[in-house]
Amino acid sequence: AQSVTQLDSQVPVFEEAPVELRCNYSSSVSVYLFWYVQYPNQGLQLLLKYLSGSTLVKGINGFEAEFNKSQTSFHLRKPSDHISDTAEYFCAVSDRGSQGNLIFGKGTKLSVKP
Amino acid sequence: DAGVIQSPRHEVTEMGQEVTLRCKPISGHDYLFWYRQTMMRGLELLIYFNNNVPIDDSGMPEDRFSAKMPNASFSTLKIQPSEPRDSAVYFCASSSRGVTYNEQFFGPGTRLTVL
Repeated sequence: AQSVTQLDSQVPVFEEAPVELRCNYSSSVSVYLFWYVQYPNQGLQLLLKYLSGSTLVKGINGFEAEFNKSQTSFHLRKPSDHISDTAEYFCAVSDRGSQGNLIFGKGTKLSVKP
Repeated sequence: DAGVIQSPRHEVTEMGQEVTLRCKPISGHDYLFWYRQTMMRGLELLIYFNNNVPIDDSGMPEDRFSAKMPNASFSTLKIQPSEPRDSAVYFCASSSRGVTYNEQFFGPGTRLTVL
């Protein structure tokens, strides 16, 4: 069975500092990988996704993630944060041959302070 | 496309009352998902449909919860009777395995408060 582990439940950083949100997954088959962001009192929206090809994926708002198959990781990074990045971030995995559902991690709350 | 549409956006009801949440998926999507989000339990998958047929309802908390998808453009999640512990934000999402590669598009959610 697939699973997703987000190693940090909360990550506090200062504005303009770099940040990395960690995500590890467990799957015996090829996968699609996603990062979603949820701003306060809003729904989830897609930040970026890995389907195939280049392992470095760029998303909205300056975020990027790198797929590492050997380490089964898909860590999210941003070189310089803004206060507006304060939100909860969810990593998700889907089996390429699955019925269509995503397995979500428990989320990481990023708090960017001035 | 207008995206996934959910109604109502907010619902306040009293314990014991029936609550019906509604969702209109993105046109052409063949998967529909219902999630519940609370501070204590995080994001939980309740049930999902493929081509209007329920595929996995193992996340439905108990018999008080039921979901239907009578056609490709409409789904309901019903709670009867409602209890205070059902207070949460309920999200609907849709996807298309062949088109979106399982990327799910979420609605804005319904914030349910049961008094």
